[in-house]
Amino acid sequence: EAGVAQSPRYKIIEKRQSVAFWCNPISGHATLYWYQQILGQGPKLLIQFQNNGVVDDSQLPKDRFSAERLKGVDSTLKIQPAKLEDSAVYLCASSSQLSGANVLTFGAGSRLTVL
Amino acid sequence: GENVEQHPSTLSVQEGDSAVIKCTYSDSASNYFPWYKQELGKGPQLIIDIRSNVGEKKDQRIAVTLNKTAKHFSLHITETQPEDSAVYFCAAVTGFQKLVFGTGTRLLVSP
Repeated sequence: EAGVAQSPRYKIIEKRQSVAFWCNPISGHATLYWYQQILGQGPKLLIQFQNNGVVDDSQLPKDRFSAERLKGVDSTLKIQPAKLEDSAVYLCASSSQLSGANVLTFGAGSRLTVL
Repeated sequence: GENVEQHPSTLSVQEGDSAVIKCTYSDSASNYFPWYKQELGKGPQLIIDIRSNVGEKKDQRIAVTLNKTAKHFSLHITETQPEDSAVYFCAAVTGFQKLVFGTGTRLLVSP
């Protein structure tokens, strides 16, 4: 089975610029997550989708971050405008009821550096 | 909200030794405790998990133990090998079905 695909793998931008990350989950996985992992820390949940609906976005900085999963398959996470503290790895993960609702499979991540 | 504490932050062992990583959690309603291994440049990978109705689980050289009364759980790796070197994260699923990660342990296994 193909894993969780993410792109780009690396992105360097200036502060106040915008950036978008893309994620394609494992086929058939209804739940998709975006996590932020700052260097030296554990992943922190930004947003969770169930199909194309938002389940939890309580920790998403909505003034600058947005995410969508319009067709319930792939998803895009956008940051506009970026701040220095947004430098992190953005991890996408997916899960399904069949494999266990809380058994997450992660992608390799997208590393963002904000200068 | 749930808080998951993990220690040590770094752990160095010789090949063949055992390694133990410990975590504590705060939400007594937490019922699922996975452990992830993250290698450089990769996403976290699930290596073992335990549910609240089980006290111990083993998978070859890896074992997890759970003490619900004390609200702590541990990862045990026996006969460590250089390829075990990575960052390990514990996590807990809260009563609100949210997965919260610990801060990670960098394990270095020296040949």
